[in-house]
Amino acid sequence: EVQLVQSGAEVKKPGESLKISCKGSGFSFTNYWIAWVRQMPGKGLEWMGIIYPSDSDTRYSPSFQGQVTISADRSVSTAYLQWSSLKASDTAIYYCARPITTRLMDDGFEIWGQGTVVTVSS
Amino acid sequence: SYELTQPPSVSVSPGQTASITCSGDELGDKYACWYQQKPGQSPVLVIYKDTKRPSGIPERFSGSNSGNTATLTISGTQAMDEADYYCQAWDSTTVVFGGGTKLTVL
Repeated sequence: EVQLVQSGAEVKKPGESLKISCKGSGFSFTNYWIAWVRQMPGKGLEWMGIIYPSDSDTRYSPSFQGQVTISADRSVSTAYLQWSSLKASDTAIYYCARPITTRLMDDGFEIWGQGTVVTVSS
Repeated sequence: SYELTQPPSVSVSPGQTASITCSGDELGDKYACWYQQKPGQSPVLVIYKDTKRPSGIPERFSGSNSGNTATLTISGTQAMDEADYYCQAWDSTTVVFGGGTKLTVL
């Protein structure tokens, strides 16, 4: 079965660091781009960025450039999203997603992880 | 930056046709796709490349894209179709989502 399985919910304090993960299985992980999408409470979907695990080519949304780091470890078929210093406004559900084909552009995201809930509160 | 605009809400009676629009500058020159998201669930791709349906998506879901507007059409809308719907397009190598439309079936 083709799937993306994300790490569990996190509760952090402002200023703390965090790295969440997204593990792919059932497909050739290195051949597909993996995106990260934020959904703040009660709000819509926001694209954060995308990575190609084969060579770690990464593209960021201008809104998230410098705010987060996207990485991947192809040896364990896992993509990561990390923060060096969390803010309360980072409280959201974070999804990873895979396009329907191996192309970077034009295609929709067919495979989604279950989401990781991140809560940042003092 | 590129923007996609959707109506916040659309209502439809069961069995009728629902149309949800997505507007963006020269959107017809790009490929549009659509996602369905129910409460507490991950988004589901229902239309990609303007008109294509992924495997497992019912035929009642269809899409079109021309000029500045892409449209998701749900024929014979069922109660189970009540959800939030998001359009999405690529602008260069950046993904853009619309703000979402809440479809109410009543």
